[in-house]
Amino acid sequence: DTAVSQTPKYLVTQMGNDKSIKCEQNLGHDTMYWYKQDSKKFLKIMFSYNNKELIINETVPNRFSPKSPDKAHLNLHINSLELGDSAVYFCASNSGGELYNEQFFGPGTRLTVL
Amino acid sequence: AQSVAQPEDQVNVAEGNPLTVKCTYSVSGNPYLFWYVQYPNRGLQFLLKYITGDNLVKGSYGFEAEFNKSQTSFHLKKPSALVSDSALYFCAVSSRSMTTDSWGKLQFGAGTQVVVTP
Repeated sequence: DTAVSQTPKYLVTQMGNDKSIKCEQNLGHDTMYWYKQDSKKFLKIMFSYNNKELIINETVPNRFSPKSPDKAHLNLHINSLELGDSAVYFCASNSGGELYNEQFFGPGTRLTVL
Repeated sequence: AQSVAQPEDQVNVAEGNPLTVKCTYSVSGNPYLFWYVQYPNRGLQFLLKYITGDNLVKGSYGFEAEFNKSQTSFHLKKPSALVSDSALYFCAVSSRSMTTDSWGKLQFGAGTQVVVTP
């Protein structure tokens, strides 16, 4: 009964390819997030959705496009992959998107672009 | 501008000794402060948070943290460290001053690697 799940866990691909990462949460939360963790373990938010609506969009290249088919899912599609996209991507969720509610994180997807 | 600082890249402690992981922050409004832990090849797990009220907050796995407004600090502590506490610890802050609305945008510190030796 995983709370926040991501697939795939590992993704190895060539430069220029297009790939997707899927995220699902069964916590009943209405807000979901995507974070990028770089090789130095630094975490930065990329996007946030509340009830399928985009609410946070940090300075992320247009090649990254999140999609939320329903409030339990937030997928990340990446076009024309570049070497610098190699990182671990984490999905997270919380209730109401409130500042004071802790976020629950998925296990991460390690993306390697060759 | 808001920021979170974790001044130590790594903290080494012997098992059974007290563990402290330091965190200082800077926000314009009232802070909401969090500690998360990341074990190798895993996602982040919530440990504890300070929202308001008692400055000493207790969390999971015997951890606690003290909010100090005058020093703008939120240090994580554990009286007696275990080898299994070895992990990467992140301090994070959010504040209504960081955003024009109430959405939960977290600013994370760079992380502190804790190594507990037997």
